Amino acid sequence: DVKVTQSSRYLVKRTGEKVFLECVQDMDHENMFWYRQDPGLGLRLIYFSYDVKMKEKGDIPEGYSVSREKKERFSLILESASTNQTSMYLCASKTGNTNYGYTFGSGTRLTVV
Amino acid sequence: GENVEQHPSTLSVQEGDSAVIKCTYSDSASNYFPWYKQELGKRPQLIIDIRSNVGEKKDQRIAVTLNKTAKHFSLHITETQPEDSAVYFCAARRVGDNRLAFGKGNQVVVIP
Repeated sequence: DVKVTQSSRYLVKRTGEKVFLECVQDMDHENMFWYRQDPGLGLRLIYFSYDVKMKEKGDIPEGYSVSREKKERFSLILESASTNQTSMYLCASKTGNTNYGYTFGSGTRLTVV
Repeated sequence: GENVEQHPSTLSVQEGDSAVIKCTYSDSASNYFPWYKQELGKRPQLIIDIRSNVGEKKDQRIAVTLNKTAKHFSLHITETQPEDSAVYFCAARRVGDNRLAFGKGNQVVVIP
């Protein structure tokens, strides 16, 4: 029963392209997050959203933007992809109650060439 | 913000032995501590969590202990099996904050 869906498992894009990574959750969660995962660096927060049309910068927002037009969908946008954005991108969501964990999507492995 | 550190980065254990992973956190206002398991090529999945009003929690072969004074918490896996081989992430959340701060992860290898 997949609850957080990331639209692409693997993506290959060219440097300078605009890239959209999509995430959809079916649990009516208020909170959604985008992380990137790199070997030796763990999970680093890029952007998050607590509500529709709301967004907040995480720890490494440079080079990224996000969009949340509907509660169930949170999109990560790479305005002009660069090779240092090659990574695994993980979307997560959680309910508004603070004392619960995240549900993660399966991840999108993005390669920028 | 919250800073979470995990040790060791890699842990190899013989099948049947116990594995312990320790995490430290910096913010005394943190009150929720989950552990995630990520198998190769798969998404991280929540395996156990503990809240600051509890010192220990157990679920079958896994347990988590919390020492608020020392600001560290540990994952204990007993009677390890090959399917326990994975990367384990600890995390911490501050009161009133929905974000999790993650450690860098531990690679656990169970040797048959």
